[in-house]
Amino acid sequence: SQKIEQNSEALNIQEGKTATLTCNYTNYSPAYLQWYRQDPGRGPVFLLLIRENEKEKRKERLKVTFDTTLKQSLFHITASQPADSATYLCALDANQAGTALIFGKGTTLSVSS
Amino acid sequence: GAVVSQHPSWVICKSGTSVKIECRSLDFQATTMFWYRQFPKQSLMLMATSNEGSKATYEQGVEKDKFLINHASLTLSTLTVTSAHPEDSSFYICSAREAGILYEQYFGPGTRLTVT
Repeated sequence: SQKIEQNSEALNIQEGKTATLTCNYTNYSPAYLQWYRQDPGRGPVFLLLIRENEKEKRKERLKVTFDTTLKQSLFHITASQPADSATYLCALDANQAGTALIFGKGTTLSVSS
Repeated sequence: GAVVSQHPSWVICKSGTSVKIECRSLDFQATTMFWYRQFPKQSLMLMATSNEGSKATYEQGVEKDKFLINHASLTLSTLTVTSAHPEDSSFYICSAREAGILYEQYFGPGTRLTVT
């Protein structure tokens, strides 16, 4: 079955720096990969989706890359701000039909001023 | 747009009682809704997938008689935790997928269930 690893449980960086979070998967290459933000006691909020035939996607200060050879996605937040502090979740389609999602445990980012 | 609500946001119940959680898509029609459970510092675990008008599909290890899911309309799905026990205490989150949109899911704010 598909497994997702977000290799850092926590990441602490200073304001203004670029945060880079990693997501690795172990089995089949998903049709797409998504990144979500989750604040404590709240549901996930969708950030970005990248398809298997896309190498990179950007949205404002966010950038996602997808390397199907390495089975890895990197999520970057440039010019990070304290308001970016949250848990970031990587998610893949649970089966190759592209329906339900399976999630990684998340990386909790703390941006200090 | 694409707002999903859940009610209640938190609930405390006694062991042995049943609790119903509602998930609504407020501004779109959701042909498919998903129910997840999240324990502290753990990832969201898919419990079941429900399509409007049909029976839910449960993930392996999830008891369908304990977690009753009803998706009677295109904007409402309910999860009923029957005969709740303390180990059912968790954060329950629903998500909804809009008709015709294959990939994106919109998540509700979650419901914190505590069983005493």
